[in-house]
Amino acid sequence: AQSVTQLGSHVSVSEGALVLLRCNYSSSVPPYLFWYVQYPNQGLQLLLKYTTGATLVKGINGFEAEFKKSETSFHLTKPSAHMSDAAEYFCAVPENSGGSNYKLTFGKGTLLTVNP
Amino acid sequence: EAEVAQSPRYKITEKSQAVAFWCDPISGHATLYWYRQILGQGPELLVQFQDESVVDDSQLPKDRFSAERLKGVDSTLKIQPAELGDSAMYLCASSLDRWADEQYFGPGTRLTVT
Repeated sequence: AQSVTQLGSHVSVSEGALVLLRCNYSSSVPPYLFWYVQYPNQGLQLLLKYTTGATLVKGINGFEAEFKKSETSFHLTKPSAHMSDAAEYFCAVPENSGGSNYKLTFGKGTLLTVNP
Repeated sequence: EAEVAQSPRYKITEKSQAVAFWCDPISGHATLYWYRQILGQGPELLVQFQDESVVDDSQLPKDRFSAERLKGVDSTLKIQPAELGDSAMYLCASSLDRWADEQYFGPGTRLTVT
């Protein structure tokens, strides 16, 4: 079964500093990988999506993620943090749920705090 | 911009009572998902519909939870009877076709069982 590990349940950075949120997946190379963001009391919003063939994926709000097969990782980065980036971030990986159907398995999330 | 609608946004109920949540997906989206998100955790899929058919309900506690999407449009998730452990955020999402498409999430219903 596929599993997702997000290292660090809470990351705190200063405004303007580099943001690095870590995600590792456990199984064979998935065809897709996702990062979602959740602001307080809201649903999730797609940040970016990896599809086979691309290693560096650019998303919304200046975020990007790099797929590294050798490390089974899909870490999320942003060069310069903004106060509005404070939110919870989830990595998600598809897992076969029977036949040709898949479901997304989400990591436990990383809460990003941005300090002024 | 089209959005996934959910109601109510907040619900407080006593244990052993029945509770229902409603979701209206983005028009034209064939796939609808119900997730449960416990505080401090990622969303966990409860049930997935493709049009009006259930394609995955393996994590749905069927002794107390039920879900329907009768006309393949909006959907209702019901809990009867509610238990203290059901306190969580219940999220609805929809996608154009299947899992590989972007899922659009509603704002969720925060359930508190007392």
